[in-house]
Amino acid sequence: AQKITQTQPGMFVQEKEAVTLDCTYDTSDPSYGLFWYKQPSSGEMIFLIYQGSYDQQNATEGRYSLNFQKARKSANLVISASQLGDSAMYFCAMRELSTGGGNKLTFGTGTQLKVEL
Amino acid sequence: DTEVTQTPKHLVMGMTNKKSLKCEQHMGHRAMYWYKQKAKKPPELMFVYSYEKLSINESVPSRFSPECPNSSLLNLHLHALQPEDSALYLCASSQGSTGRNTDTQYFGPGTRLTVL
Repeated sequence: AQKITQTQPGMFVQEKEAVTLDCTYDTSDPSYGLFWYKQPSSGEMIFLIYQGSYDQQNATEGRYSLNFQKARKSANLVISASQLGDSAMYFCAMRELSTGGGNKLTFGTGTQLKVEL
Repeated sequence: DTEVTQTPKHLVMGMTNKKSLKCEQHMGHRAMYWYKQKAKKPPELMFVYSYEKLSINESVPSRFSPECPNSSLLNLHLHALQPEDSALYLCASSQGSTGRNTDTQYFGPGTRLTVL
């Protein structure tokens, strides 16, 4: 079975600094997808970035980048130039193969990020 | 702005009530999902619909009954709920392409349910 581990329950970062949120995963499937979502206190899960297991380059989306180290089975999210609006819960997730239609996501336990002035 | 909408935003119901949660997506996706999320926990998958057919049921109690009237709409009918069912209920949709890892799920804003 697939497993996602986020070892940082909470993180603090100063505004305009960069921060790295850790995510490690375990799977025996050679083909998989990794996702990061942001969940503000309002509740909505916002998709941030995706990395495929066969992608040669690390994914980037604006201020978000994914530090993908396949041999170490890690997919850390890097947020550059942190803003107050980045304060939220961040979830790492892996796409799980399903026999039926649709795709299952396995989520980590999340990291609560607080950006300070 | 999200293209997945959910109504209502908040719902308070008694244990004997019957209510429904509604979800609509405007992205032409063919897979839709219901998740339950307790405070400070990750979302837990409840149901998956693919091409309007129920494809995954994660052993959810029968007091939760999903319905997919068409490819854009997803309902969750609630009956005889328990206080422990109080949670944030999230709807999501994706293109529904099995075998493709890039099948990103997009979430709605959620319905906060309180069962008294």
